[in-house]
Amino acid sequence: GENVEQHPSTLSVQEGDSAVIKCTYSDSASNYFPWYKQELGKRPQLIIDIRSNVGEKKDQRIAVTLNKTAKHFSLHITETQPEDSAVYFCAANKAAGNKLTFGGGTRVLVKP
Amino acid sequence: GAGVSQTPSNKVTEKGKYVELRCDPISGHTALYWYRQSLGQGPEFLIYFQGTGAADDSGLPNDRFFAVRPEGSVSTLKIQRTERGDSAVYLCASSLGGQNTGELFFGEGSRLTVL
Repeated sequence: GENVEQHPSTLSVQEGDSAVIKCTYSDSASNYFPWYKQELGKRPQLIIDIRSNVGEKKDQRIAVTLNKTAKHFSLHITETQPEDSAVYFCAANKAAGNKLTFGGGTRVLVKP
Repeated sequence: GAGVSQTPSNKVTEKGKYVELRCDPISGHTALYWYRQSLGQGPEFLIYFQGTGAADDSGLPNDRFFAVRPEGSVSTLKIQRTERGDSAVYLCASSLGGQNTGELFFGEGSRLTVL
């Protein structure tokens, strides 16, 4: 089955700096890669996703890049703000499988 | 309501007892998922329903765990003879379903504590 590794497990950045989280996956058939944000005590919520027919996707201050050859994808948050503090999870899936496999999460702390 | 609803939000039980956790998905969502999240870890897949049938139950850890979705809407996760290691937050999610994976909408979770 799919295995998703996520690094780093914790990330502390100064407000205004960029944050980068990296994930690798094992199943070359995976072609859907979402990122979820989970605030303390809250439900995970989708913030951005990418499918394997594109290499990069942006949405305001967040962007995701995908390298299918190397089987890794990354989340980039620019101009970080205190409200970006949360745990971020990457995930991978095959389109027909509908079973998301999550990474272990990255706790991001944005210091004002 | 508009979102995925899970009850109870908290459940404390004793080792060996039986527990049921309920999930009410977003109306019209045919796909429903159960995940388990232990402290400091990512959600771990348990089971996925497409309609009434369990399309993939490969994540259920053992035969003490069972889930149903008899009418294709509300689902119940059932845990028999609970063990301390079952303590976790059980997350339910729903999505539109179909061939292409889309956004999963999660509930707030049911926190299970087995004493």
